[in-house]
Amino acid sequence: GDSVTQMEGPVTLSEEAFLTINCTYTATGYPSLFWYVQYPGEGLQLLLKATKADDKGSNKGFEATYRKETTSFHLEKGSVQVSDSAVYFCALSETSGSRLTFGEGTQLTVNP
Amino acid sequence: DAGITQSPRYKITETGRQVTLMCHQTWSHSYMFWYRQDLGHGLRLIYYSAAADITDKGEVSDGYVVSRSKTENFPLTLESATRSQTSVYFCASSESTGRNQPQHFGDGTRLSIL
Repeated sequence: GDSVTQMEGPVTLSEEAFLTINCTYTATGYPSLFWYVQYPGEGLQLLLKATKADDKGSNKGFEATYRKETTSFHLEKGSVQVSDSAVYFCALSETSGSRLTFGEGTQLTVNP
Repeated sequence: DAGITQSPRYKITETGRQVTLMCHQTWSHSYMFWYRQDLGHGLRLIYYSAAADITDKGEVSDGYVVSRSKTENFPLTLESATRSQTSVYFCASSESTGRNQPQHFGDGTRLSIL
């Protein structure tokens, strides 16, 4: 079945540091890939998505590129802020009906 | 405001009790979902619904029941709560079929079973 594997957390960075959160997936077809963010006490919000190989999703300074050859969708940001502290989830959707398979989530803490 | 609303936000109950978590969306989205979030497991799908009166099981459906008599509501019932069902529950909705459609999440219900 489909699966998503994220790098283990928690991740702690200083403000303005470079961020990478690794995500790899297993799927039988050609999935769409997503990054969701969860701020404390809130539900998940879509951060970015990519729907086919070599697509780059971007939003709020975050980027991720759909790499079919390495089955990866790593999240990057060049300069993190304290307000980026949250839990980040990688997810894929392969079937119709928008069913999502999530990774375990990565807790990011950014210190001033 | 339009959106997806879950209630209650917090609930404490005892083992063996029945408890219902409510979910209401104002977008008229066809698809609705229930997930539970547990440390080390991410989000796991409990049930989903493609339309009113159409529901199907997810990967962790044992002990849960859903109904969807109206498009906008998708309540989740724990018929006889167990401690292992202590979790944070999220409802989500999606506009249509298609793997490109993102899901929109409520703020969650934190359920504790004593």
